[in-house]
Amino acid sequence: AQRVTQPEKLLSVFKGAPVELKCNYSYSGSPELFWYVQYSRQRLQLLLRHISRESIKGFTADLNKGETSFHLKKPFAQEEDSAMYYCALSRVGNQGGKLIFGQGTELSVKP
Amino acid sequence: DAGITQSPRYKITETGRQVTLMCHQTWSHSYMFWYRQDLGHGLRLIYYSAAADITDKGEVPDGYVVSRSKTENFPLTLESATRSQTSVYFCASRELAGYGYTFGSGTRLTVV
Repeated sequence: AQRVTQPEKLLSVFKGAPVELKCNYSYSGSPELFWYVQYSRQRLQLLLRHISRESIKGFTADLNKGETSFHLKKPFAQEEDSAMYYCALSRVGNQGGKLIFGQGTELSVKP
Repeated sequence: DAGITQSPRYKITETGRQVTLMCHQTWSHSYMFWYRQDLGHGLRLIYYSAAADITDKGEVPDGYVVSRSKTENFPLTLESATRSQTSVYFCASRELAGYGYTFGSGTRLTVV
C-alpha cells in the first residue's frame, strides 16, 4: 500500500540553523514525490518535485530510493520558513494519480 | 492567480443539514480532487474525478457525494452533515503535463 510517513509533528529550530524535515514512503512502483508548504492555514503551495530537482526558497530534497526517503533540507532557516510542510506521493506517469499525503510537519523558526 | 476557486470560504451548518461546497477551475484540467484536512491526519482524499461524469472514491468517502457534469466544476455535497465532518476542505486539480497539483484556498466547515 502507498504510505507517506513524516515522523516529526513539530520541528523547532533557530534562525540560521540547518533544517531537515524527514519523509519516508512505501510504494511498490515508481513514485513521484512532492513537498508542499502551507502558511497559516492558507492554500497548499507546491514547493518541490523530485523530478524537477529544483531548489526553491533555498530548500532541496533528494529522492533516495534505497532508503525510500525524500527528506527536505535547508542549510540556513529563516523565520519566514515557519509553516506546515507536507510530503506527498503519486504514481509516475499517471497524470490522474491520487496524491497521498503524510501527516505534515510544522516547522517553527525562532529568532 | 485564482485558477481554482472554492466557495464558500467559511460555512457553519447544523447537524443533519445538507451542504454543498463548490470548486471551480479555469484551466480545463481533467483531474480534480477533494481532500479534508484535520489535525493529526494531514490531508485525506475524499473523492476524485478523472473527467466529466467520471468520479471515484478516495480514502474517506462516507457521508459525501460528488458530481462532475462539467469539466470545470466539482462540487462536494455532505448529504446529512455530522460533527465529525467539521474540517477544512481543499479542492485540487492537476494539469496533464504533470507539474503538480494546484489547490484551492479551502473551505472551513463547522458542523454544530
